[in-house]
Amino acid sequence: AQTVTQSQPEMSVQEAETVTLSCTYDTSESDYYLFWYKQPPSRQMILVIRQEAYKQQNATENRFSVNFQKAAKSFSLKISDSQLGDAAMYFCAYRSSSSNTGKLIFGQGTTLQVKP
Amino acid sequence: GAGVSQSPSNKVTEKGKDVELRCDPISGHTALYWYRQSLGQGLEFLIYFQGNSAPDKSGLPSDRFSAERTGGSVSTLTIQRTQQEDSAVYLCASSSRERGEQFFGPGTRLTVL
Repeated sequence: AQTVTQSQPEMSVQEAETVTLSCTYDTSESDYYLFWYKQPPSRQMILVIRQEAYKQQNATENRFSVNFQKAAKSFSLKISDSQLGDAAMYFCAYRSSSSNTGKLIFGQGTTLQVKP
Repeated sequence: GAGVSQSPSNKVTEKGKDVELRCDPISGHTALYWYRQSLGQGLEFLIYFQGNSAPDKSGLPSDRFSAERTGGSVSTLTIQRTQQEDSAVYLCASSSRERGEQFFGPGTRLTVL
């Protein structure tokens, strides 16, 4: 079974600085998808960025980028120029390409605090 | 268009009572998921519906949990004889296709006293 681990329960960053959130996963599959979701206090999960395992190039979405290390099974999220609105809980998630359901397997989450 | 909506936003119930949680997916989305977010277990998959296919119930924690999806749209998650360990946020997500991007609702926070 696949597992996702986020070893940082809480992180903090100064506004305008850069922060990196860590995620590791375990799988025997070679094809899969990885995601970072943001959950603000409103509880609504928002997709931040996605990475397809067969793509070597790291995904980037504006101030958000990932460092995908397939061999190490590592998938970290870098937030550049942090803003107050980035404060939220961040979840790393895995989705199998072979699963019929497309269900997401989540890590435990990292709470990010942004200090003004 | 409108996103995924869930009701109620919060629900407080007494141990042993039955509860129903509702999810309205994005119009036209054929895939619908329920997840549970609790302090002890984190975020876990419960059940998946895709069109008219039989649902994947592999994540339901016990037979007290059931869900249905009427007319391929609205879904109801029912918890019978609620227990304190059922206290959690129940999240619903929908997708336009099998294994497509999932859009989440705001969740229902269930508290069992």
